[in-house]
Amino acid sequence: DSGVTQTPKHLITATGQRVTLRCSPRSGDLSVYWYQQSLDQGLQFLIQYYNGEERAKGNILERFSAQQFPDLHSELNLSSLELGDSALYFCASSSEGAAYNEQFFGPGTRLTVL
Amino acid sequence: AQSVTQLDSQVPVFEEAPVELRCNYSSSVSVYLFWYVQYPNQGLQLLLKYLSGSTLVKGINGFEAEFNKSQTSFHLRKPSVHISDTAEYFCAVSDKGNQFYFGTGTSLTVIP
Repeated sequence: DSGVTQTPKHLITATGQRVTLRCSPRSGDLSVYWYQQSLDQGLQFLIQYYNGEERAKGNILERFSAQQFPDLHSELNLSSLELGDSALYFCASSSEGAAYNEQFFGPGTRLTVL
Repeated sequence: AQSVTQLDSQVPVFEEAPVELRCNYSSSVSVYLFWYVQYPNQGLQLLLKYLSGSTLVKGINGFEAEFNKSQTSFHLRKPSVHISDTAEYFCAVSDKGNQFYFGTGTSLTVIP
């Protein structure tokens, strides 16, 4: 158990809908990362937050957005969903958010878009 | 931009045999290098990382990796594998600017 929690574990929705994925980092960790893992694209870095502010942005679509709240939990919002958004979404956390810090991954949220 | 290539998508190996999982990266800047393991239905777990200094890095579960700057490689090795090592292994690169790039993964299957 990494100490990172993600809810829900599974999510099934329809095209065009909007969903919110939630992540709680390990106690004391200030930084949160979001990743998308799909069969065709592999594991892709989406975005990183540090202490409430966006620190780095990867291959995140404009239909996707994220935020980190004062209690340090984070939410990833996916809108206008397409079939291709079906994937496993991971959240990870690290203590300080530097590139060399170890990231601790949650168990993931599996999103299925029908 | 950086890219990571894991040359072998699947590696079967007999129990107690040695294994090497290959990783090559392309980058015009210095990078940090990582190996992660993903067990079935779980998130990723860090095995080891190279930041600087000695090119031979030792990690958890008996794994080690060697950074080769001239060949831009960071191959993962274990001298004797166990059944419990069956998992997906990912090589990753960070350009120190908090951008992370992962390889497509190598599925290691240990055969009894």
